Amino acid sequence: DGGITQSPKYLFRKEGQNVTLSCEQNLNHDAMYWYRQDPGQGLRLIYYSQIVNDFQKGDIAEGYSVSREKKESFPLTVTSAQKNPTAFYLCASRLAGSTWNEQFFGPGTRLTVL
Amino acid sequence: QQQVKQSPQSLIVQKGGIPIINCAYENTAFDYFPWYQQFPGKGPALLIAIRPDVSEKKEGRFTISFNKSAKQFSLHIMDSQPGDSATYFCAASLSGGTGKLIFGQGTTLQVKP
Repeated sequence: DGGITQSPKYLFRKEGQNVTLSCEQNLNHDAMYWYRQDPGQGLRLIYYSQIVNDFQKGDIAEGYSVSREKKESFPLTVTSAQKNPTAFYLCASRLAGSTWNEQFFGPGTRLTVL
Repeated sequence: QQQVKQSPQSLIVQKGGIPIINCAYENTAFDYFPWYQQFPGKGPALLIAIRPDVSEKKEGRFTISFNKSAKQFSLHIMDSQPGDSATYFCAASLSGGTGKLIFGQGTTLQVKP
């Protein structure tokens, strides 16, 4: 089955710790995105990558880092510099050059800071 | 210029009713307008999308109406069902390029049996 997987589904972090959220896709999509979702708010873009070994900051990149070493993988690290990391994190991918800009989302990771 | 404003924040309708969710955008360069449906604890799923060269698009019970001059678009759900209870997000982007989506704030819909 083709799709986007995110792991873990739930993650608990102590203050001061870095944690890494996994995102994998087997859709052969070129572009990948990380969003943050808070209650009652829309999705806000953290980072995105259009090609391997290249990525750009989104609207709320402070306190986060990413890498794109493989086309199918785009892990997100939430660093201790992120002051309010408790949120629902969503990964998405898109086929570059598609006529429609469809982004397909993974099931999400809920991060809670203890 | 980059904002998408969505209303209402929440909506309750009876089964069979026609909920309408509205969105407004500012950037006239946007040319792709999708709607996503999200159930609690799940990722959003693409529901329907439209380009500004048409004024209406239907897929099943879901219809997008688009008013280019007013820079507004809306989602109508015909014959709504309790299973339609979810959060709905509108979004806008420029086709091609980075594919970055600008999302509205979301509307939580409850369809009562």
